[in-house]
Amino acid sequence: AQSVTQLDSHVSVSEGTPVLLRCNYSSSYSPSLFWYVQHPNKGLQLLLKYTSAATLVKGINGFEAEFKKSETSFHLTKPSAHMSDAAEYFCVVTFRGGNYQLIWGAGTKLIIKP
Amino acid sequence: DVKVTQSSRYLVKRTGEKVFLECVQDMDHENMFWYRQDPGLGLRLIYFSYDVKMKEKGDIPEGYSVSREKKERFSLILESASTNQTSMYLCASSSRTSGASTDTQYFGPGTRLTVL
Repeated sequence: AQSVTQLDSHVSVSEGTPVLLRCNYSSSYSPSLFWYVQHPNKGLQLLLKYTSAATLVKGINGFEAEFKKSETSFHLTKPSAHMSDAAEYFCVVTFRGGNYQLIWGAGTKLIIKP
Repeated sequence: DVKVTQSSRYLVKRTGEKVFLECVQDMDHENMFWYRQDPGLGLRLIYFSYDVKMKEKGDIPEGYSVSREKKERFSLILESASTNQTSMYLCASSSRTSGASTDTQYFGPGTRLTVL
């Protein structure tokens, strides 16, 4: 069975410091992995996705994520946090060749301290 | 610019009422989805549709039904609203390509439904 675990429900960092949001997945098949962001009172937006090309994926707003098969991880990082990054982030997994269903993590709320 | 719109941002209904949530996309996407979002649970799929008049149950279809009469419109129906259906409802759409499960889903702003 497929599942995805976001290891932190909340992450708090100071503006200008690195961001790390952790995600581990379980999948019997070759996974596709996504990170979505949800700003307060706004819809979900795709940050980046991994679909079997390069293992280091660059997304919007300076975020990137690295697919590590041996660790079954897909952690999201950013070198320097900005106040506008405050939002909730969701890690999502599906498998190639499957149906249209996505498996969603519970979300990580990113708090940026001035 | 891609756009998914939902009929209401906020909705308050009474227990037992029939509730309609409408979703329209202007991207000519084949696939459309309804999710509910609750704190600490992420998004859970209620129903999805991969073609007009087609529908598939997601993970939590009980108490809900859907209708897709036109490609651009996907409606979620709560036949008899209950308090445990108080939630944020999100609609999404995606195109159907050979790698269907990898297609990006585009989301509407959500409808926050309160059932009293």
